[in-house]
Amino acid sequence: GIQVEQSPPDLILQEGANSTLRCNFSDSVNNLQWFHQNPWGQLINLFYIPSGTKQNGRLSATTVATERYSLLYISSSQTTDSGVYFCAGSGGGADGLTFGKGTHLIIQP
Amino acid sequence: SAVISQKPSRDICQRGTSLTIQCQVDSQVTMMFWYRQQPGQSLTLIATANQGSEATYESGFVIDKFPISRPNLTFSTLTVSNMSPEDSSIYLCSQGTSPTEAFFGQGTRLTVV
Repeated sequence: GIQVEQSPPDLILQEGANSTLRCNFSDSVNNLQWFHQNPWGQLINLFYIPSGTKQNGRLSATTVATERYSLLYISSSQTTDSGVYFCAGSGGGADGLTFGKGTHLIIQP
Repeated sequence: SAVISQKPSRDICQRGTSLTIQCQVDSQVTMMFWYRQQPGQSLTLIATANQGSEATYESGFVIDKFPISRPNLTFSTLTVSNMSPEDSSIYLCSQGTSPTEAFFGQGTRLTVV
């Protein structure tokens, strides 16, 4: 199966700062997604982005499928952005998602 | 987007007992998936549940420990059998198969004492 690497594993920022989270894949993926996991464990869909660029408010994402990576940008961070961000994708003949280990983001007031 | 309901949302169970988690999707889907998230870890796929056939388990997961039912195209259950404290995790179900977007239930937080 595919391997998913996320960086950085941990990130501590002041409110108002910008951040870039990265996701690398070992092979081509069919349905790359970014999630935010809230403190109660629920996964919130941020982006479905197998290729190209999308934006939603202060968040945007870019996937370069030919180079097997994706980036999640968070601008003007707020304390409510804190949590764990996961990227995931499927490929290599599998239908279920393979998740990265996540980036634990802490936004300090 | 699909709406997926899981229950229970949380439970505390005695070791040696079993717990069945239910997952309901608001539309018919071919595949449903079950994941486990151990404390402080990422999500790991347990199995894929297809309606009308046996579930397909990932390496490290076996049917005797995690039996799955898929009686129709909107519903699935996962049972965690003969539980031990190591089974304390969040269990999540999802729908969606490549190349479409996957949506998740709110998760079941299981604590085994």
